[in-house]
Amino acid sequence: ILNVEQSPQSLHVQEGDSTNFTCSFPSSNFYALHWYRWETAKSPEALFVMTLNGDEKKKGRISATLNTKEGYSYLYIKGSQPEDSATYLCAFPMDSNYQLIWGAGTKLIIKP
Amino acid sequence: DSGVTQTPKHLITATGQRVTLRCSPRSGDLSVYWYQQSLDQGLQFLIQYYNGEERAKGNILERFSAQQFPDLHSELNLSSLELGDSALYFCASSPRGKALNTEAFFGQGTRLTVV
Repeated sequence: ILNVEQSPQSLHVQEGDSTNFTCSFPSSNFYALHWYRWETAKSPEALFVMTLNGDEKKKGRISATLNTKEGYSYLYIKGSQPEDSATYLCAFPMDSNYQLIWGAGTKLIIKP
Repeated sequence: DSGVTQTPKHLITATGQRVTLRCSPRSGDLSVYWYQQSLDQGLQFLIQYYNGEERAKGNILERFSAQQFPDLHSELNLSSLELGDSALYFCASSPRGKALNTEAFFGQGTRLTVV
């Protein structure tokens, strides 16, 4: 059974602090790893799609790294702001069936 | 605004009934995905259509069905509704058939409440 795990489940971070969390996925038959941000009362929004081992992507204060050999990706947020409060989801395509297997998410709460 | 439109936003119906959820993908996107998010559950993939054809099936119940029309909009039909079907149903679209390395754009969701 393919499983995508995210940790921690939730995280409280002081405004201005940097933080990171993890997505673990099966390391065999890797195709891609997706990161999405899901703000309350909104729909999930794509952050990154990562395909290459060692890949690092950045969007403003948010960046992500990928290790396909050991099956994990880190998402980093530098200098957290209240607007970063959201649930961060990662998803892993299940071989060639096109369906994404989703992690349960890391709920990030930024304390002012 | 992702460009994906879902209607209705909210739906309240009784057990045993049938409802239809509608999704209009972003202009030019050929793939439509349907997801269910129940209370305390992650996003569960239900089904994908690409250019009118079913492309992949996830944990979709037999009571549920979907289709994609020539104008690329999609409908998710839920029948013989049970209380446990209450959930947020998302539609997403992407330009190509494969979800592997293409980001998906999500609609605002339809909140279904079965009473």
